[in-house]
Amino acid sequence: EAQVTQNPRYLITVTGKKLTVTCSQNMNHEYMSWYRQDPGLGLRQIYYSMNVEVTDKGDVPEGYKVSRKEKRNFPLILESPSPNQTSLYFCATQEAGTYGYTFGSGTRLTVV
Amino acid sequence: KQEVTQIPAALSVPEGENLVLNCSFTDSAIYNLQWFRQDPGKGLTSLLLIQSSQREQTSGRLNASLDKSSGRSTLYIAASQPGDSATYLCAVRRAGTASKLTFGTGTRLQVTL
Repeated sequence: EAQVTQNPRYLITVTGKKLTVTCSQNMNHEYMSWYRQDPGLGLRQIYYSMNVEVTDKGDVPEGYKVSRKEKRNFPLILESPSPNQTSLYFCATQEAGTYGYTFGSGTRLTVV
Repeated sequence: KQEVTQIPAALSVPEGENLVLNCSFTDSAIYNLQWFRQDPGKGLTSLLLIQSSQREQTSGRLNASLDKSSGRSTLYIAASQPGDSATYLCAVRRAGTASKLTFGTGTRLQVTL
């Protein structure tokens, strides 16, 4: 089954404590992205990757890092989380050709 | 800058009704448009993907149309059911750009018994 798997699903952490949200896909898609969803603001892109070792900033990259060492994995790293990064995070892959998107189930992050 | 607007923001209909959700975008230079469904606290499920060269796509009781020149798309849901209750999001991918979708803020649909 085609899947985008995010972990963890829920996370509560304290300000300044580094964390990583993992994302893995089994569809061999080249494109991967991270989005955050906030009430009234909708979904906004944080970072994207067009292939291994190729990443670029989206609309709201401040406070986040990403890496793409393998095609299937695209972790999101918060080096020093702050309360304004409390949000619902989604990883997504994009199919070559049609460029249709498949989203993961989301990670609800709370930073206190 | 691309802006995507969805109207109405919320909609409540009785079971069995046919309904239309609207999506408009400001920049007609799009590669494709995708409709998603989101259940509360859950991920996004892709419903329909329309390429810029297409006028409509159908899947079961769902039909999505695209009028690129006027910057509009509609999602038609036939014979609505309580299980259709969710938030519906449209998103556009701009032509010539790397991987990025611009989302509308969604229409929250409730189908009542």
